[in-house]
Amino acid sequence: QVQLQESGPGLVKPSETLSLTCTVSGVSITSDDYFWGWVRQPPGKGLEWIATFYYSGDTHYNPSLKSRLSISADTSKNHLSLILTSVTAADTAVYYCARLDTAALLRMDVWGQGTTVTVSS
Amino acid sequence: DIQMTQSPSSLSASVGDRVTVTCRTSQTIDNYLSWYQKKPGKAPKLLIFGISNLQTGVPSRFSGSGSGTDFTLSISSLQPEDFGTYYCQQSYSLPWTFGQGTKVEIK
Repeated sequence: QVQLQESGPGLVKPSETLSLTCTVSGVSITSDDYFWGWVRQPPGKGLEWIATFYYSGDTHYNPSLKSRLSISADTSKNHLSLILTSVTAADTAVYYCARLDTAALLRMDVWGQGTTVTVSS
Repeated sequence: DIQMTQSPSSLSASVGDRVTVTCRTSQTIDNYLSWYQKKPGKAPKLLIFGISNLQTGVPSRFSGSGSGTDFTLSISSLQPEDFGTYYCQQSYSLPWTFGQGTKVEIK
């Protein structure tokens, strides 16, 4: 059974750097069948795609965040990392990681439960 | 960026009603269109991918249709557990984008 589990600090101060991890079990993140992505939902707002990673190292970022964003993978731990610098209150959100199926029109078919991030001093 | 416009923004319907949510895209997206259900405190759940393909385990009362720039999610007979917000999403062109959501309430 494929499972994704996000983890993070919960609370981050403005201007600091946010670091999140998505631990994947049940499938290797090096599988060429899947992309791995991040999506967030600010309080009271809709879903926003943040970034996507492929095992080859190919990454894609939302242009609105690209200058502050970096995603990577640790294949030995089978987990993904997201780093967002210079955070503001606008980055307060629930952050989800998701699996994207390359053989099925990039459907996001498996999701983590999400981790809440609050940016506040 | 491809804009995704959903309508209505919210609706209230009774158990057993047929419900339809519309998603219009700012350009054609082939069949790279998915629908997700989002409930408070829960992760998004994939319902439909490729415009009309039902995700495994999703009840058959959910269906998707459309082409070009106009797409529809239908619930043939609304059930109490179908409350939540529904989002369309395109994975045709980066940046991938979601609609603003349609909140479905049960009367």
